[in-house]
This record gives sequence, C-alpha cells and structure tokens, in this order.
Amino acid sequence: NAGVMQNPRHLVRRRGQEARLRCSPMKGHSHVYWYRQLPEEGLKFMVYLQKENIIDESGMPKERFSAEFPKEGPSILRIQQVVRGDSAAYFCASSPEGPYEQYFGPGTRLTVT
Amino acid sequence: KQEVTQIPAALSVPEGENLVLNCSFTDSAIYNLQWFRQDPGKGLTSLLLIQSSQREQTSGRLNASLDKSSGRSTLYIAASQPGDSATYLCSQGGSEKLVFGKGTKLTVNP
Repeated sequence: NAGVMQNPRHLVRRRGQEARLRCSPMKGHSHVYWYRQLPEEGLKFMVYLQKENIIDESGMPKERFSAEFPKEGPSILRIQQVVRGDSAAYFCASSPEGPYEQYFGPGTRLTVT
Repeated sequence: KQEVTQIPAALSVPEGENLVLNCSFTDSAIYNLQWFRQDPGKGLTSLLLIQSSQREQTSGRLNASLDKSSGRSTLYIAASQPGDSATYLCSQGGSEKLVFGKGTKLTVNP
C-alpha cells in the first residue's frame, strides 16, 4: 500500500506564475489535508477536503490560493500569481475518516524566484 | 484559539542519555495527540499517536504520555543515539485539523 504521494517534490516558479501541487492520498483514504511550513515556522493548517467537497478552508489565504479534490484524480493545491512569500514546504496528509491518524506525504518545496 | 507549545526549542545531549520533550496544548476538547519526527528538508514521520481516551503509547525506545487535565504531553526517548537527531513535532488533533507546535530540535552527540 503506497503512502501519500506528492508531486512535484521541488517546484521553482518566477513571481507572477502559477503553481500547481498534487497530492494522491493513501488507498482507501477519502480525507485530504494541506499544511504549509514556512521557513523557521511550524506547520500551519490550510484546508481540509473530502471528495468533491471543501470542509474547512479556514487556513487558506483569502486570495490566490485554491484547492480541490475531484471525484477522480489527485487533490490539487493551486497558487496563482506566486510571490516570494509563498516559498515554503507544502505538505499533504490523508486519513480514512476524520479525526483519525493523519499520514503525511514527503512534501513539495516551492521556491519563488 | 488552539495553541501548542513545545519546550525546549532545542536540546543537545550526549549519546546514551535518556531525555524528555515537552508539549502543552490549550484545547481540552482534544481528539488525539500525535508526535512526529522531521529530518532536515524531509517530510514528517509519525512516531506515536495517543487517542484522547488513552494515557500513553510506547514504541521501542519511545514513550509518549497524555494528560488532558493539565494539557500536557511528554515524549520520552531512552538511550538516545546520534540517529535520533531530528526535529520532533507535537500536534493536537481536533475534529478536523492538526495544530502543531514549532518543534524541538534534538541533537545527539556521539
């Protein structure tokens, strides 16, 4: 049973470009969570999704950020018009149902130049 | 507001020493308490998960305890090894999301 998959592992974007981060949950898991880890900061919750539904997006910045978890395919975290402050590690986690143990992916490290 | 605090922020010990990492949380409506390990530039590895109905969990040289009444958890590492060097994160699980502390950076010197 493969773990949580994230791709790409490293992503470099110039200011103003779009970044798309993908997350495939563990098999049998229908709950996906996104977290962001800024340099020298702790992990912060961004959004919680179930298939085709956003359950809690209280940690998402109000502008430029969006997330989806379609019926088929991976969850996508999309950042439009990236700025240098978006440079961070973005982690995805999944669970079979909430609130059970969350299993984390290896993360995507976004660098905005 | 849910907050998780970890003390100390950094710890350096000689190999073989037993040590304790501390975590405190503010929300008494806790579902679970999870300890993770993070190596530099890497993802999170789950170490131990304590459900709210439990008092402790053990895995090998690791033991984690949970005291909901005082809002505290401890991670005990026995006979530390250089390979234990990493950042240890404590997280409080609510109904939907995890709230993390900033971590304790552990260095075990040979």
